[in-house]
Amino acid sequence: GENVEQHPSTLSVQEGDSAVIKCTYSDSASNYFPWYKQELGKRPQLIIDIRSNVGEKKDQRIAVTLNKTAKHFSLHITETQPEDSAVYFCAASKAGYALNFGKGTSLLVTP
Amino acid sequence: DGGITQSPKYLFRKEGQNVTLSCEQNLNHDAMYWYRQDPGQGLRLIYYSQIVNDFQKGDIAEGYSVSREKKESFPLTVTSAQKNPTAFYLCASTTSGAGELFFGEGSRLTVL
Repeated sequence: GENVEQHPSTLSVQEGDSAVIKCTYSDSASNYFPWYKQELGKRPQLIIDIRSNVGEKKDQRIAVTLNKTAKHFSLHITETQPEDSAVYFCAASKAGYALNFGKGTSLLVTP
Repeated sequence: DGGITQSPKYLFRKEGQNVTLSCEQNLNHDAMYWYRQDPGQGLRLIYYSQIVNDFQKGDIAEGYSVSREKKESFPLTVTSAQKNPTAFYLCASTTSGAGELFFGEGSRLTVL
């Protein structure tokens, strides 16, 4: 089955700096790559996703890049703010199968 | 309001008892999922169902059972065979095919 590795497990940045979280996947047939944000005590929520026919996608301060050849994808957050502090999960799947999640990255943005 | 509802939010169980977690959605989604969340372990798939009366095991299905008799409902039973059931359980749903998962608020199970 699909195996998703996520790094780093913890990340601390100062407000205004950029944060990058990286994930690799094992199944070359995977074609959907979402990122979820989970604030303390709350449910995970989708923040951005990308499909395998696209190399990069942006949404304001958030961007995701995908390298199909290397089987890795990354989340980039620019101009970080304290409210960006949360646990971020990457995931991968192919049609008809469930999402496989990475183990998460705990991001702390300090003022 | 459309959404996905899990109950109970908190549950305590004695060892040797079975317990059932409820998951109901009114989003008209075909697919439903159960994930288990432990600190530092991410979200691990227990079971999923893409259509009524059909479901598939995930990576950690041992000690759990599910049913999908109605499109809206996907209850999870944690049996006494589950060796370490204390965890946070998340139910999710989506339209068929790979797409955004909508999560419930979760159920926290503690075995005493």
